[in-house]
Amino acid sequence: EIVLTQSPATLSLSPGERATLSCRASQNVVSYLAWYQQKPGQPPRLLIYDSFNRATGIPARFSGGGSGTDFTLTISSLEPEDFAVYYCQERSKWLQTFGPGTRLEIK
Amino acid sequence: EVQLVESGGGFVQPGGSLRLSCSASGFTFSSFAMHWVRQAPGKGLEHLSLIGAEADRTYYADSLKGRFIISRDNFKNTVYLQMSSLTTEDTGVYYCAKDAYNTGRGWFDSWGLGTLVTVSS
Repeated sequence: EIVLTQSPATLSLSPGERATLSCRASQNVVSYLAWYQQKPGQPPRLLIYDSFNRATGIPARFSGGGSGTDFTLTISSLEPEDFAVYYCQERSKWLQTFGPGTRLEIK
Repeated sequence: EVQLVESGGGFVQPGGSLRLSCSASGFTFSSFAMHWVRQAPGKGLEHLSLIGAEADRTYYADSLKGRFIISRDNFKNTVYLQMSSLTTEDTGVYYCAKDAYNTGRGWFDSWGLGTLVTVSS
């Protein structure tokens, strides 16, 4: 079973700052990694798939990178609506694994 | 516009059963795999099950221990999750999600709003 570890658990930043979130896989997942954003009371929303591809309608300030076991999600300049929980997900197997999440909060 | 609407959640006693439904619209339902994902209160996301576009494959999380069955009706554009022998650990919001591909190995590119299942005595 592949385990995803996300860091930090909580990130406190101010609007306009740059956010860098990390996701580490216990095994090589090649580039089969996605990022989702979830706001309170809402379902998750796909942001990035296959490591670096932005999903439809996702602003350019969101970018992803990495391969193998180490991945990052970067938000270049935080907007007020970006404060949420972010999950990474791998799809290297049929039953897919989510990371525990990083809570991005307003400082 | 893709829409996924879950229903069937509610309050059930331990040992009971529920059938969740997810009605889909806005896309060719029979061309895409579908998934169920659970989120316990205040917790993260757990991928429970998937079903291929033509119901040709199904997979389940080991944690379900054979208690849940996923199915779909491509004429009704609906995917189901039959849940039995429920325990308090099954409490949570249940989301259905659309796969980006027909196989079930893609990303979850659309999600429903979820339906709440509460298992309690």
